[in-house]
Amino acid sequence: NAGVTQTPKFQVLKTGQSMTLQCAQDMNHEYMSWYRQDPGMGLRLIHYSVGAGITDQGEVPNGYNVSRSTTEDFPLRLLSAAPSQTSVYFCASSLRSALSYGYTFGSGTRLTVV
Amino acid sequence: QKEVEQDPGPLSVPEGAIVSLNCTYSNSAFQYFMWYRQYSRKGPELLMYTYSSGNKEDGRFTAQVDKSSKYISLFIRDSQPSDSATYLCAMSAVDSNYQLIWGAGTKLIIKP
Repeated sequence: NAGVTQTPKFQVLKTGQSMTLQCAQDMNHEYMSWYRQDPGMGLRLIHYSVGAGITDQGEVPNGYNVSRSTTEDFPLRLLSAAPSQTSVYFCASSLRSALSYGYTFGSGTRLTVV
Repeated sequence: QKEVEQDPGPLSVPEGAIVSLNCTYSNSAFQYFMWYRQYSRKGPELLMYTYSSGNKEDGRFTAQVDKSSKYISLFIRDSQPSDSATYLCAMSAVDSNYQLIWGAGTKLIIKP
């Protein structure tokens, strides 16, 4: 079982560039989400999805887009990268029946915007 | 004021000590309480969860919830160097669309 797979692990972008962070899970989890983690801030929810074709905004959605065409994949797009988007990004998934506690996280993407 | 407060540490203790990690919260609607462990350069992994009040034990780990004080704790007995990690608390309410609210994490260092 691969669990939650995130690619790339590291990325450096120039201000204004766009890119897509990939997330895939093989556990048939309905719920998928993207978080960013910054020092002293904890995990902040960017976008989430409760199933294919359904997405919604989290706490800090500005500058990011998502789509969910399949159960397995939930890519995060940075439209025009800014230095404030330098962070570690985590994708997480869960069964709907375990939404209250049972998140499985990927190993993260470390993004630096210069 | 944040909904969930957690001392960032670092907390440094000798091997074999009992460790106490804590979070306080302000939302009385929280019903699910979780502790996640995060090793350096890895994603968080679920360590323990508790529904409502009370204690839950799993090996060397005990999670405790005191809803009257809005305070949760994680105790680690016989701490090992492999327990060195950042510990994040998280909480959710039934009527919050199951979104988790996270503490900022406490960095724990166990000295051999």
